[in-house]
Amino acid sequence: EPEVTQTPSHQVTQMGQEVILRCVPISNHLYFYWYRQILGQKVEFLVSFYNNEISEKSEIFDDQFSVERPDGSNFTLKIRSTKLEDSAMYFCASSLIGQGARYGYTFGSGTRLTVV
Amino acid sequence: KNEVEQSPQNLTAQEGEFITINCSYSVGISALHWLQQHPGGGIVSLFMLSSGKKKHGRLIATINIQEKHSSLHITASHPRDSAVYICAAGPNTGNQFYFGTGTSLTVIP
Repeated sequence: EPEVTQTPSHQVTQMGQEVILRCVPISNHLYFYWYRQILGQKVEFLVSFYNNEISEKSEIFDDQFSVERPDGSNFTLKIRSTKLEDSAMYFCASSLIGQGARYGYTFGSGTRLTVV
Repeated sequence: KNEVEQSPQNLTAQEGEFITINCSYSVGISALHWLQQHPGGGIVSLFMLSSGKKKHGRLIATINIQEKHSSLHITASHPRDSAVYICAAGPNTGNQFYFGTGTSLTVIP
């Protein structure tokens, strides 16, 4: 069964450093998403991306965050200057069709980001 | 506001018991995910359903769209089923999922 792949599974970074989290969505999917889960809290939506632009974003997704689809296969989340409170699990997801959240919506297994 | 509520928050069961985890949501949805999260934090998708019932091995997921309620059942539970089970609802409008807080399941041998 097709999978959404995230790398690395765990990343440690110094406060203030830039970090890029990588995701390879399912190959024929058109919509891409990032979610975040701070330890002990529920998973929260960050951003959705379609046709090379952001289609929806939450209040969490401020100017420190950016997303990019640099080539035909990768989808990245960049945090410009990491803060301690950015420590969390970050989940990528992709879907064939966006509206209605139904079609083949698949989550990756996550990247644990630890900011020290 | 899109709310997803799960119950119970914590559940301890003896090996072999039948387990039910409940999820209710407040808006009309197009799909509902059940996910499993192990201590390392990674998630695994168990089911995505929009109506009726799905079964995979010892796991069964049901959804009642009219009542805005879904259940995840585990038959003949085993210690390896110990994990956090998360329900996530995708509304009819928009394309994000809203997550419940999870149910922490411990199955004792």
